[in-house]
Order: sequence, then structure tokens, then C-alpha cells
Amino acid sequence: GQNIDQPTEMTATEGAIVQINCTYQTSGFNGLFWYQQHAGEAPTFLSYNVLDGLEEKGRFSSFLSRSKGYSYLLLKELQMKDSASYLCAVSFNSGGYQKVTFGTGTKLQVIP
Amino acid sequence: KAGVTQTPRYLIKTRGQQVTLSCSPISGHRSVSWYQQTPGQGLQFLFEYFSETQRNKGNFPGRFSGRQFSNSRSEMNVSTLELGDSALYLCASRAGTDQPQHFGDGTRLSIL
Repeated sequence: GQNIDQPTEMTATEGAIVQINCTYQTSGFNGLFWYQQHAGEAPTFLSYNVLDGLEEKGRFSSFLSRSKGYSYLLLKELQMKDSASYLCAVSFNSGGYQKVTFGTGTKLQVIP
Repeated sequence: KAGVTQTPRYLIKTRGQQVTLSCSPISGHRSVSWYQQTPGQGLQFLFEYFSETQRNKGNFPGRFSGRQFSNSRSEMNVSTLELGDSALYLCASRAGTDQPQHFGDGTRLSIL
């Protein structure tokens, strides 16, 4: 089966940097997604990592290490609007099809 | 381009009843997935449809079923509703394998 772990909650200060970790164990791994979900809203896509390394997209960056089963989402210059849940999701092959399993999410609170 | 549309947004039912939820994917997307989201369990995968065929299925009882029509619109049905079925039901569509999923705003189902 698939096992995805991420911290339940984190708190960070406006203007600071925060790193949200995600570890996974899965066979047939393809890549890892990160989504942002504000309270009461639908998840929105942030990034998708297939290869090892860091991918930067504005204030958000995502890192993947396939050999270690580890990823992180880095948020720089935190803003109050970044308060949300961040979901990591693993894409993997099973039974001839590509599937996606989500972690339970990390609720980030940004404080002034 | 219109996003994923789910109807209704809110629904209140009583135990034992059944319910049908609807999802219209982004135009051109043939893959539609359904998820159940609860505070304690996070996003739980229900099933995925592609070109009117169920391609993947999660670990939910047979009371949960779905279908997809030739225009890619999808419906999800839950029969003999239980209190534990109270949740946010999210639908997501994607353009292809390893493409990000685009979520609708969800249907919030409350069972009394």
C-alpha cells in the first residue's frame, strides 16, 4: 500500500520562511503533487515533481528526493493569505493504471 | 475555460435515504475522480472514471457507486445513508496521466 506522512499543523510568522515536509512509501512511484486548500474551498494545484531536485515557482518551491521518499514545500516571504492546508499527493502505478493518494494535509497558520 | 462544476453545493439528508451528486469536468478532460473529505481522514479516494469506465476504486462499501456519461459528466450515488457519510465530496478532473487534478468546490453532505 501507500503510506504518506506530513505534519498535522504548523505555525509561522508573516514574512518568514516555512518548510512543510512529506515522506512517503510506495511502489510504482511516478511523482509527487502539492496542493493548497483554504478553509471551505477546493484544493488548488501548486506543483508536481517527478525528478530529484528543487523546482521554484515564485515564493513557493518544491523539492523531491526519490531515493529517500521525501519531499518538501518551501514557502518564502509568508503572507497571511498563505494560511491554509497543504496536501501532498503521490502518483503511482498500480494494476496498469496511474493512481493518486493524498496525505492528510498540513494546516499552516501564519501569524502577524 | 469553465472549471469543474459540482451540484448541489449543500445537501441535507436523513439516515437511510439515498443521494446523487453531479460533476461536470473541465471541457476536454475525460478523467473524473471522486473524493470524500472529512476533518479526521483527509481526502479519501472513492473512484475514478475515464471514458465512461470505472478505472480505479477506493476502499468504500458498495453503497457508494458512480457512473460517467459520454459527455464526461459524472454522477456519484450513495444509498442507505449513514451518519458517518457526512462529509465534503469533491470531484476532480484532469487532462491526462500525471497531469494535475482540478477540483470542484464540492458538495457538503450532512446526514441527520
